[in-house]
Amino acid sequence: DSGVTQTPKHLITATGQRVTLRCSPRSGDLSVYWYQQSLDQGLQFLIQYYNGEERAKGNILERFSAQQFPDLHSELNLSSLELGDSALYFCASRQGTYGYTFGSGTRLTVV
Amino acid sequence: TQLLEQSPQFLSIQEGENLTVYCNSSSVFSSLQWYRQEPGEGPVLLVTVVTGGEVKKLKRLTFQFGDARKDSSLHITAAQPGDTGLYLCAGSGGTSYGKLTFGQGTILTVHP
Repeated sequence: DSGVTQTPKHLITATGQRVTLRCSPRSGDLSVYWYQQSLDQGLQFLIQYYNGEERAKGNILERFSAQQFPDLHSELNLSSLELGDSALYFCASRQGTYGYTFGSGTRLTVV
Repeated sequence: TQLLEQSPQFLSIQEGENLTVYCNSSSVFSSLQWYRQEPGEGPVLLVTVVTGGEVKKLKRLTFQFGDARKDSSLHITAAQPGDTGLYLCAGSGGTSYGKLTFGQGTILTVHP
């Protein structure tokens, strides 16, 4: 157990639907990063939150959004899903300058 | 846009052999990290290098950061089947607020 908790582990949904992925960072970590991992693109940075505020955006589609709540857990919302959104979605939290810890990921399958 | 090119993409070797994985960029990174990822799991941090020319050793693994902080390598001595997995390099730096730029990864298979 890395200390970063992601739920659900697997998600199968239909095109056009909306899903919410949840991440709880390690205790005490204020930063949460979301990444998407696909076979052709590798691990791509989506978005970062720090203590409830958005800090950086990467290759995140407009159909995707995220937020970080006062208890520091974060949710990634994916809407109008397409087949190409099928991927592994990871969140990570950071301790200090370099200590990143990743969760086990959510495998999203869009059918 | 910062990019990291990782090579080789696939590596299949016999137990006991040595191997090196390379990670190259045209950009300077303030730090570079190596991760290992098992199927169904998230990447696990192996090491962080931050100083140009830095060399770190972790048992049979040796990590090196280039003098110009644009490239890195991972060398495994006497590979074992337990080393099998996906190895990823990732860089951070500049005004990226700590976001990581990942290489495409190297899938290593060590045969008994």
